[in-house]
Amino acid sequence: NAGVMQNPRHLVRRRGQEARLRCSPMKGHSHVYWYRQLPEEGLKFMVYLQKENIIDESGMPKERFSAEFPKEGPSILRIQQVVRGDSAAYFCASSPSFRGSQPQHFGDGTRLSIL
Amino acid sequence: RKEVEQDPGPFNVPEGATVAFNCTYSNSASQSFFWYRQDCRKEPKLLMSVYSSGNEDGRFTAQLNRASQYISLLIRDSKLSDSATYLCVVNIRNFGNEKLTFGTGTRLTIIP
Repeated sequence: NAGVMQNPRHLVRRRGQEARLRCSPMKGHSHVYWYRQLPEEGLKFMVYLQKENIIDESGMPKERFSAEFPKEGPSILRIQQVVRGDSAAYFCASSPSFRGSQPQHFGDGTRLSIL
Repeated sequence: RKEVEQDPGPFNVPEGATVAFNCTYSNSASQSFFWYRQDCRKEPKLLMSVYSSGNEDGRFTAQLNRASQYISLLIRDSKLSDSATYLCVVNIRNFGNEKLTFGTGTRLTIIP
């Protein structure tokens, strides 16, 4: 019974390149959440998706960042033209329903480093 | 004002001692409350939910005061393995959507 799977665990990119982070939710979970954690800071909500729908993207930067959760396959967080400030740990979480009272289960995270 | 505020820490506590963390939240419409634990460079893991009547899980006790919008976590007989960052988490309803909002965390180090 696999948990939330994220890959890659570590990703290194040069400034200006694109970063793609993938997240497969737990079996039976149809709700995916992305969070960013900057060094020495707390988790910040980025986006909440259901299959083929973005429900809440209030935490996403207006430019360069996008997310999707297609009908088939993992959820993707895409960062275009990365900058040094994008260096962070990106965590994905999933839950079985939209209700916030359901605790979210987190993946191991992707640690993005921008050279 | 932050939606969820926690004790800044860090807390350095001798093994066997009792330690308490506090957390306040600003949105009175908040519905659900949790404590998560995060080890260094690891993912957050649910420690316990927090109920209005207060709840206990072994050495851990969580309390909620809705009137004061205040949450606490008490750890008794602390162990070295309790060293971690403890995150206060609140489910906040925003424009019909619900999402978890995390405090910045309180770092705890248990000293042998």
